[in-house]
Amino acid sequence: GENVEQHPSTLSVQEGDSAVIKCTYSDSASNYFPWYKQELGKGPQLIIDIRSNVGEKKDQRIAVTLNKTAKHFSLHITETQPEDSAVYFCASGGSYIPTFGRGTSLIVHP
Amino acid sequence: EPEVTQTPSHQVTQMGQEVILRCVPISNHLYFYWYRQILGQKVEFLVSFYNNEISEKSEIFDDQFSVERPDGSNFTLKIRSTKLEDSAMYFCASSQYREDADTQYFGPGTRLTVL
Repeated sequence: GENVEQHPSTLSVQEGDSAVIKCTYSDSASNYFPWYKQELGKGPQLIIDIRSNVGEKKDQRIAVTLNKTAKHFSLHITETQPEDSAVYFCASGGSYIPTFGRGTSLIVHP
Repeated sequence: EPEVTQTPSHQVTQMGQEVILRCVPISNHLYFYWYRQILGQKVEFLVSFYNNEISEKSEIFDDQFSVERPDGSNFTLKIRSTKLEDSAMYFCASSQYREDADTQYFGPGTRLTVL
């Protein structure tokens, strides 16, 4: 089955810095890669996604890049703010059963 | 903005008891899902449901689990005889199109505690 690896498990940054979270996947048939933000006590909320026909997508301070050849994709958050603090999950939509990464706990220090 | 709702927010049960977790997906969505997240671990897919039948299920979704759409709005997950290891957050999600082609919207979750 699909295997998704996510790094780092914890990321601590100062407010205003950029944060990058990386994921790799194993199923070359995967074609949909969402990123979710999960705040304490809440369900995952989709923040951005990318499909295999594009290499990059941006939405204000958030961007995702995809390298299908290397089978990895990354989340980039610029100008981080304390409210960005949360757990971020990547996922791979391969074989119709989405596989999630283990999550990255992002801490933004004011 | 439409959202997925789940009840109850917290369910405590004794080992061996049956529990039913309820979800109301977004009204015009056609695909429904259940996920599980054991404390501190990643979200795990359990099952997807379309057109009143299961379309995909994971190894976790064994004979103890069942899903149902009893009416036009509710989507339920039943665990027949709960085990201690069933303690987790259970998330319902829905999407308008097929799993790998559209975004899934998650509910706030039900925390299941099995004693």
